[in-house]
Parts: sequence; structure tokens; C-alpha cells
Amino acid sequence: RKEVEQDPGPFNVPEGATVAFNCTYSNSASQSFFWYRQDCRKEPKLLMSVYSSGNEDGRFTAQLNRASQYISLLIRDSKLSDSATYLCVVNEGNDMRFGAGTRLTVKP
Amino acid sequence: EAQVTQNPRYLITVTGKKLTVTCSQNMNHEYMSWYRQDPGLGLRQIYYSMNVEVTDKGDVPEGYKVSRKEKRNFPLILESPSPNQTSLYFCASSFQGYEQYFGPGTRLTVT
Repeated sequence: RKEVEQDPGPFNVPEGATVAFNCTYSNSASQSFFWYRQDCRKEPKLLMSVYSSGNEDGRFTAQLNRASQYISLLIRDSKLSDSATYLCVVNEGNDMRFGAGTRLTVKP
Repeated sequence: EAQVTQNPRYLITVTGKKLTVTCSQNMNHEYMSWYRQDPGLGLRQIYYSMNVEVTDKGDVPEGYKVSRKEKRNFPLILESPSPNQTSLYFCASSFQGYEQYFGPGTRLTVT
């Protein structure tokens, strides 16, 4: 079983849609959690950290459920510029574990 | 400007010819790491370093070496590259447990 698993995608949605990505992790001792965004052939960039209480940044909302070892990312009112691959990242102390990523394409 | 730099950005080489990819960060981060990214496999950690002179293997260390003689630099060394090391490589740095900052990537082709 993979340590960090994400929805395989791809997700193809129209502009303005709401889309949700899910991620599960296997190590219950994981300490911190992040969502990164990666554009084609570019480096991953931090989108947002994920806190136990859940957090929101504009159109983006991240949730963490430690009991179920589950992280989610919700994007509201999708824009064309949201098209990218979204990576779920879990910090296990010395190691950062990356999911394989979910590809999102937002279409006009 | 806070950043992670990598050089070269693109490299085409032949099997067996030793090469080094440099990585440098100016954020005083103690933690640095190397990843490779291949289609369908996501980012896989090669080596990481928690501080100067402290390095450890990640998930796919075979065929690679690293060193951490200074806090800001973390070079990746391929002593005898092979075609299966053709990949996109990223260096990253962070404070321990916090978000990582990535370099722009090095696209390596080994023929």
C-alpha cells in the first residue's frame, strides 16, 4: 500500500465549478500536512498547509481528519489558472511523503 | 530574494560519465533533500540532510551520492550515470517539519 494516496484524476471541470481532492496517508504518527501545486515541468509550490481545525485561503479550503488519516482540498469557483497538478504531502518527521498528484484541468 | 537554485537546468550526458548537480539555498534552512520525478510515480526522495555533515538515504538512493559540507549547499553526485537515471530532479530545503521550498528542477537525460 502506498504511504500517501490521492485520487488518480484527471479532473476536467468547467470554469466556476467546485472540485474536491482527497488524500489518505498510512502513518498515524505523521506530523504536518500540506497541499502543493505543480505546473507542467515546473517545481512544486506550496498552496497551503493543512491544520487540524481546517483552514481556508480564498477559494481554497483544506481539511484534516487525523482519525481517518484523510486530507482534503476544496476549490470553489474554479478558474482557468487553477489548471495544474495538486500534490498531497505528509511530513513524517525526517521524511516528506508525496502523493503521486491529481491533475486538474479547468475548461472555459 | 529567498530561493533554491540548481545547476545545470538541463543536461544530456552519456552512460558512465560522472556528473554533479549543484543545489544551493539562501534561507539558512537546516533540512535539504533531493527528489526525482518520473511520470506516474510522483516525487521520490533520493537523499536528505538534516544539517551539515548529516545525510541519510531516502527511498531511491541507489546510484547517487550526496554531501553536505556547508549549510547552504547540497550537491547530488552521479558517479556512473545510467539511462534509468534519466529523470527530472528537484532539490528542496526547509526548516525541519515545515513546508519545503523547491529549486527549479534539473532535467537529466542519460544516453
